[in-house]
Formats: sequence, structure tokens, C-alpha cells
Amino acid sequence: DQQVKQNSPSLSVQEGRISILNCDYTNSMFDYFLWYKKYPAEGPTFLISISSIKDKNEDGRFTVFLNKSAKHLSLHIVPSQPGDSAVYFCAARGTSGTYKYIFGTGTRLKVLA
Amino acid sequence: GAGVSQSPSNKVTEKGKDVELRCDPISGHTALYWYRQSLGQGLEFLIYFQGNSAPDKSGLPSDRFSAERTGGSVSTLTIQRTQQEDSAVYLCASSFLAGGGSHEQYFGPGTRLTVT
Repeated sequence: DQQVKQNSPSLSVQEGRISILNCDYTNSMFDYFLWYKKYPAEGPTFLISISSIKDKNEDGRFTVFLNKSAKHLSLHIVPSQPGDSAVYFCAARGTSGTYKYIFGTGTRLKVLA
Repeated sequence: GAGVSQSPSNKVTEKGKDVELRCDPISGHTALYWYRQSLGQGLEFLIYFQGNSAPDKSGLPSDRFSAERTGGSVSTLTIQRTQQEDSAVYLCASSFLAGGGSHEQYFGPGTRLTVT
């Protein structure tokens, strides 16, 4: 039972354009969401987070949008750069004092020069 | 400062043998997580520690898997009687848990386990 889903396994975008990575979740009790980026042979690195009390969080070229009613979040990267080519994971945390995060299966982004 | 370190970076073992994977978290981080990533799959949660206790072990696939954390620092993930399906990259992460904040996790480079 996959509670966090990234339905697009891969995405290709031209350099300078916007990249939009999507993530859907099934548990309405999730209250915190994070995005990670992973290069081959390295551990994931944190990108940006959003609390369920917000609908948008921005950090430089990265913006995360949360639509609670649709149980959907998205990561926008603009402008996309070749160095952004990596696998992107979204992760969600449940409530009730847990710090367990459920990760999606990842989307491989390729930014074409 | 030093990040999360894991050892060994690669481990090849024969089916049926036991293996121990080690994680050194960032100093002062109260939480420690173990995940695994099988080929072509996402990150699968295994277990997390707050201090030395493990509030959630729900991700451990079977009783062949166990983990411990001592002194609120180093953690060891042990897999007994390894099977070929245990082959994966095992990732460790740590975070500083306090009221509020993103509780972002800092990941180590992983241990690639191959069971032959």
C-alpha cells in the first residue's frame, strides 16, 4: 500500500524551462512534506519542506505547492539547470508525535542543455 | 562539520551469512533512520530511533533484521541469514528533533549490499 506516490518515473525538460514534479498521498493525517534530490551513488539531500498549514513555500529556484483537498504536492524548479538532473523524492510525515517519513518512489529529472 | 558516515560502503556476502552495517550520525542529532533502496525502487523505511529507543520498527521486513543504537550515537543494522532479496543500498539518515522546524534528514552515502 503505497501511501506516497510519484506517478511519473521520469521527466525531461529543456534548460531554462520550468520543471514540475508531482507527488500524491493518500493519508490526510500527513502534516509535513519534504523534497529530496539524489545523485547516483550519493545519499539524498534535502531541498525544501512545507507544513500542512501552508500552501506554498519558496526557496530560490525551488517552490513547493501543497493542495490538501487534492492530497497533492508539487515541486517547481525554475529556471531548470543541467545540474538539477537527479532523482527527486517527496516524503510525508504522519501526525501523533511520529517522526517517521514515508517516501515516494522518485522521479528522475533530466535537464537538457 | 562531518556528515553522516556509513561503513562499509560496499559489502558482498554469501547467502546465509550475517552482516552488520554501521552508521555514524551527525553529532548531536537525536533521531536516526534506516532505509533501503532496492534496484529501481524508492526509499523503503526500515526503522527509526529517538535517542537509543526505537519508537517505530514497523518497516523491518522480517525478524532476520534488527538494529540497535548505543549512546545516542552510532547505530548498527544487522541482517541475519542473508537472502538474495536483501541485496539493496542501505541508507542511514539523522536529524535534530526539536519543537517546530523541518526536521530535515541528513543522509549518508549508503552501504551497497550484494548477497550472492
